[in-house]
Amino acid sequence: KAGVTQTPRYLIKTRGQQVTLSCSPISGHRSVSWYQQTPGQGLQFLFEYFSETQRNKGNFPGRFSGRQFSNSRSEMNVSTLELGDSALYLCASRVAPNEQFFGPGTRLTVL
Amino acid sequence: GNSVTQMEGPVTLSEEAFLTINCTYTATGYPSLFWYVQYPGEGLQLLLKATKADDKGSNKGFEATYRKETTSFHLEKGSVQVSDSAVYFCALSEGNQFYFGTGTSLTVIP
Repeated sequence: KAGVTQTPRYLIKTRGQQVTLSCSPISGHRSVSWYQQTPGQGLQFLFEYFSETQRNKGNFPGRFSGRQFSNSRSEMNVSTLELGDSALYLCASRVAPNEQFFGPGTRLTVL
Repeated sequence: GNSVTQMEGPVTLSEEAFLTINCTYTATGYPSLFWYVQYPGEGLQLLLKATKADDKGSNKGFEATYRKETTSFHLEKGSVQVSDSAVYFCALSEGNQFYFGTGTSLTVIP
């Protein structure tokens, strides 16, 4: 069974731009979660989607948004990028209450 | 509410030393517990898990026992290798919620 895939793996943007990241979960997994990982803040939960609905949300500004499609694939969008948005963005899928399976991440650099 | 607390790093050990990374949790019910490992430049990988009290999860020489009386899930390995150098995350799952600790960086020197 294929694992969680994320595209693109690396991304460079400039301040003020917007970006969309994509995540394809493991087949049959309907829950997709997004995390931001930075050296200073560690692993921070962004949001979780289940059956196309946002089920949980972390403490991030409204510039961070996401959605999930009927095939469970998910996208997250960050608008008006700031330097502090530079991070590794991780996607994970699961069948609750079991473990999450993580993708390799998208490394976003904001210049 | 639910939370996970793990020991601060970084931890530096010599090869073949004994490893313990402490993890304690707070939960309202009966969570499942996990250890994840993250190698440089990669996503998190599940290392081991335990789904009920007194369960012992094990993998690649690592072990952790679900201790309900002390609300702990400490990670241990008897003899670490250089290849074990990574960041280790303790986590719990209860219902639809998933909680991670802050991560502990381990460096093993030859």
